[in-house]
Amino acid sequence: GQQVMQIPQYQHVQEGEDFTTYCNSSTTLSNIQWYKQRPGGHPVFLIQLVKSGEVKKQKRLTFQFGEAKKNSSLHITATQTTDVGTYFCAGDYWGNQAGTALIFGKGTTLSVSS
Amino acid sequence: EPEVTQTPSHQVTQMGQEVILRCVPISNHLYFYWYRQILGQKVEFLVSFYNNEISEKSEIFDDQFSVERPDGSNFTLKIRSTKLEDSAMYFCANRRVPNTEAFFGQGTRLTVV
Repeated sequence: GQQVMQIPQYQHVQEGEDFTTYCNSSTTLSNIQWYKQRPGGHPVFLIQLVKSGEVKKQKRLTFQFGEAKKNSSLHITATQTTDVGTYFCAGDYWGNQAGTALIFGKGTTLSVSS
Repeated sequence: EPEVTQTPSHQVTQMGQEVILRCVPISNHLYFYWYRQILGQKVEFLVSFYNNEISEKSEIFDDQFSVERPDGSNFTLKIRSTKLEDSAMYFCANRRVPNTEAFFGQGTRLTVV
């Protein structure tokens, strides 16, 4: 089946440091989505990127979609303790039947110490 | 913000028993998904469902699993003859159309003993 690779699996930073997680697909994606899951919570949508080379910002978060639409990154500037959680990228894949499957990467778990 | 509701929040069942997990989707969001997350691991796609039929399923979604919309509103996941390794958090997700934001329910934590 389709796979979305994501690295690193874990990242620990000191508050104020930057953080980046990378996502890679073996096939071209129609779009890439990013979700955040707080400990004990459920995935919550952050953003969707659609265009080749697209860059979007949400306050301290910067999201990029690669030119080939196969890779993406999420960069957090000056992390805060509220950034703690697991960040997942997810891509839509057309399968063998009529619909799509939104496939998640393994996620990067961010811990922040103050 | 639109909300997907899942019940129960926690289910404990004996190995070999059948369980039904329920999801109330968002109105007019007609694409349904079930995911499984074993503790501390990735969010694994199980199945997508649209227009009263399965549109995609993963290798995990074998004959032990089934989905349906029994009353045209609720969306259910049935797991027959549960095994210890079925213990996980099960999330229902809902989208208005493909390639858009997915809204997740709070999840059902299934514990098989």
